Amino acid sequence: DTEVTQTPKHLVMGMTNKKSLKCEQHMGHRAMYWYKQKAKKPPELMFVYSYEKLSINESVPSRFSPECPNSSLLNLHLHALQPEDSALYLCASSQEILDGQRRSPLHFGNGTRLTVT
Amino acid sequence: DAKTTQPTSMDCAEGRAANLPCNHSTISGNEYVYWYRQIHSQGPQYIIHGLKNNETNEMASLIITEDRKSSTLILPHATLRDTAVYYCIVSAQGGKLIFGQGTELSVKP
Repeated sequence: DTEVTQTPKHLVMGMTNKKSLKCEQHMGHRAMYWYKQKAKKPPELMFVYSYEKLSINESVPSRFSPECPNSSLLNLHLHALQPEDSALYLCASSQEILDGQRRSPLHFGNGTRLTVT
Repeated sequence: DAKTTQPTSMDCAEGRAANLPCNHSTISGNEYVYWYRQIHSQGPQYIIHGLKNNETNEMASLIITEDRKSSTLILPHATLRDTAVYYCIVSAQGGKLIFGQGTELSVKP
């Protein structure tokens, strides 16, 4: 069990669908993250939110749209995805980022395994 | 951003210490070294982190060389459940945590 909860655990969607991935933490963390992980590869950073504001976008295509409605929740809205977007999507949180450097570890959820058909 | 280099894979006998090396020769003075592991089909799990001094917790020990250009994660008594991919990561500006390729550790009976 992790302290970061991601739903759903599995998602299959067509290329014309719109879906959302959800992430929730109740540790009082103020930084939240989305990572994408393809099979046999390390996780790749997509987005970082700090105090509910987007602070880093790693040049992610606009078909991925993040949202942080409050400090406990993080969403990833998906639209017009391609089959190559199939991957494990991981959410993480950490205490506030201080002085541009993180000093507290990230806590990861177990991810949503997305398949785009 | 500092880059890390790790061996692709390692084996360890159950009950023995597992020593996982990591090179981070371009690390800057205020960058931390983090270790995570990922067991199949789960999210990465935090193990330990450090800046300059050696660190120990209930899971592992982290030894950082004096010049900070390399580190070693030590699992003192490896079990079969420690079989996983281990990532050594150097924190980067703005809160980024960039994963390298990691070391696949196999603990064998």
